[in-house]
Amino acid sequence: AQSVTQLDSQVPVFEEAPVELRCNYSSSVSVYLFWYVQYPNQGLQLLLKYLSGSTLVESINGFEAEFNKSQTSFHLRKPSVHISDTAEYFCAVSRSGGSYIPTFGRGTSLIVHP
Amino acid sequence: NAGVTQTPKFQVLKTGQSMTLQCAQDMNHEYMSWYRQDPGMGLRLIHYSVGAGITDQGEVPNGYNVSRSTTEDFPLRLLSAAPSQTSVYFCASSYTLAGADTQYFGPGTRLTVL
Repeated sequence: AQSVTQLDSQVPVFEEAPVELRCNYSSSVSVYLFWYVQYPNQGLQLLLKYLSGSTLVESINGFEAEFNKSQTSFHLRKPSVHISDTAEYFCAVSRSGGSYIPTFGRGTSLIVHP
Repeated sequence: NAGVTQTPKFQVLKTGQSMTLQCAQDMNHEYMSWYRQDPGMGLRLIHYSVGAGITDQGEVPNGYNVSRSTTEDFPLRLLSAAPSQTSVYFCASSYTLAGADTQYFGPGTRLTVL
């Protein structure tokens, strides 16, 4: 079975500072990895995903995540955050091949202070 | 496309009352699911469906029923509400259960059971 660990429940940062949200997974088979974002009082929406190919994936709003197979990690980074990035971020893992219900982490609350 | 819609947005129930949370999607997705989100617990899967007429239990199914008579609709029924069911409920859908598929979430229903 797959599992996902988001190591930080809350990450406070100041505007324009860099941020890293950590995600580690465990799996005995090849995986697909996702980051979803939940803005206040909204549902989750896809931020970015790794399926194959380049291990560095980017979102349209400046976030990036790197798949590291040896460390079983998929950390999310942004070099300079904005107030509008304040949200809950969920890492998720799914299995490649066949049908599989994705497993979500418990979420990391990113709080950006002015 | 409206995507995934949920009604109502807010609901207050008394202990013992029953109600149905509605979920609909207009993307012709095979897979639909219900999650509850509680502070510190992340998303927990309640029930899911891989197509019309096919449903199965997730991680926390007790106290909830589902049915899937059409591809578009996937209602969640609370049989006899309890305070422990106070939560935010999200419906999600994806084209299939293939691991690479993105999950699309509704805006959520905030339920309070007194």
